[in-house]
Amino acid sequence: DADVTQTPRNRITKTGKRIMLECSQTKGHDRMYWYRQDPGLGLRLIYYSFDVKDINKGEISDGYSVSRQAQAKFSLSLESAIPNQTALYFCATSDFRGGWDTQYFGPGTRLTVL
Amino acid sequence: AQKITQTQPGMFVQEKEAVTLDCTYDTSDPSYGLFWYKQPSSGEMIFLIYQGSYDQQNATEGRYSLNFQKARKSANLVISASQLGDSAMYFCAMITGANSKLTFGKGITLSVRP
Repeated sequence: DADVTQTPRNRITKTGKRIMLECSQTKGHDRMYWYRQDPGLGLRLIYYSFDVKDINKGEISDGYSVSRQAQAKFSLSLESAIPNQTALYFCATSDFRGGWDTQYFGPGTRLTVL
Repeated sequence: AQKITQTQPGMFVQEKEAVTLDCTYDTSDPSYGLFWYKQPSSGEMIFLIYQGSYDQQNATEGRYSLNFQKARKSANLVISASQLGDSAMYFCAMITGANSKLTFGKGITLSVRP
């Protein structure tokens, strides 16, 4: 089984709809992240959480919210989806043990907002 | 602010040959980590290799090695004995002590020819 799973893998929705993307991990990591990927722009950080009680905005948090339900679960919500939120969304986890923590990514969720 | 630059256009390499993918970075923080990820056409992000700014030796992981030149602020990925399955997008990324967040470059496309 995959260490980091994302659901759904693909989603098509309409402008104005509320959407939730879910991420679960079995790696036992404390840190979790949400990124979006747009063609030609690489990955950009939306939100990150270093533990269950810690939530932080990334560089492009407007229009998004998150919930860290447990150490293993981190959800991303689009309260009112708009077409420019069409992108590939990645969840990632890491476990800081001194030095630099390596981030491990889920398979991605391809979201299309019509 | 930290920045990753990947400016090569699409790269082509013959199967079984070596290829170097360029990455330059910019940060004022003396402590940082550099990462390479592979993204095949299926979309997932796969961690390949990591180099810390204080590491004395260049990192190696199987066919992957990182040519780290600190004074030039470059962290090039070298893939030896290219395989068809190496065809993918490759991203360089950096994390610094200042914010513990991963910053990605825009990626380089590698195509391996049989």
